Amino acid sequence: AQSVSQHNHHVILSEAASLELGCNYSYGGTVNLFWYVQYPGQHLQLLLKYFSGDPLVKGIKGFEAEFIKSKFSFNLRKPSVQWSDTAEYFCAVRGDSNYQLIWGAGTKLIIKP
Amino acid sequence: DVKVTQSSRYLVKRTGEKVFLECVQDMDHENMFWYRQDPGLGLRLIYFSYDVKMKEKGDIPEGYSVSREKKERFSLILESASTNQTSMYLCATWPSYNSPLHFGNGTRLTVT
Repeated sequence: AQSVSQHNHHVILSEAASLELGCNYSYGGTVNLFWYVQYPGQHLQLLLKYFSGDPLVKGIKGFEAEFIKSKFSFNLRKPSVQWSDTAEYFCAVRGDSNYQLIWGAGTKLIIKP
Repeated sequence: DVKVTQSSRYLVKRTGEKVFLECVQDMDHENMFWYRQDPGLGLRLIYFSYDVKMKEKGDIPEGYSVSREKKERFSLILESASTNQTSMYLCATWPSYNSPLHFGNGTRLTVT
């Protein structure tokens, strides 16, 4: 069965620190990969997605993610975080023969001002 | 901009009550989903619908049913609410395969 693993449930950083949130999935075929973000009190929204092409994907607000097929990973990065990045981040995966998204458990990111 | 509206932001119900959660979208999307979001468990799919009157069970359908009489409205029904259904419920639409999901703001349901 497909699964998505996010390595950390909670991450606490200071402003200007670099961020990397891990995401690994288990699925043997072609995948579509997503990172969603949920800011406090707001709805889930798409941060970035990968379907094909350049494995380094740039999203909104300075975030990027790199798809490494050999490692089944799609880690989210940001070189310098801001207090406003405090949110919960979800990785999600969809197999190419499937419509259903499989979600990771989420990572709560807290940025100390 | 897609608008997905969930009728209640917060809801408190008693054990055994029948509960209706409503979701309305304004973009004519065919696919609609109901998830529940619990800490440490991410999002789990309860039911989805790919057309009017069409529905499919997700991963955790037990204790829930759904209704889609019109394209824009997808209702989640808790037949007899129980305390383990206390959760955040998220509705989402999905216009096409290459598109992301569009989420509502969620309904935080507490069953006492």
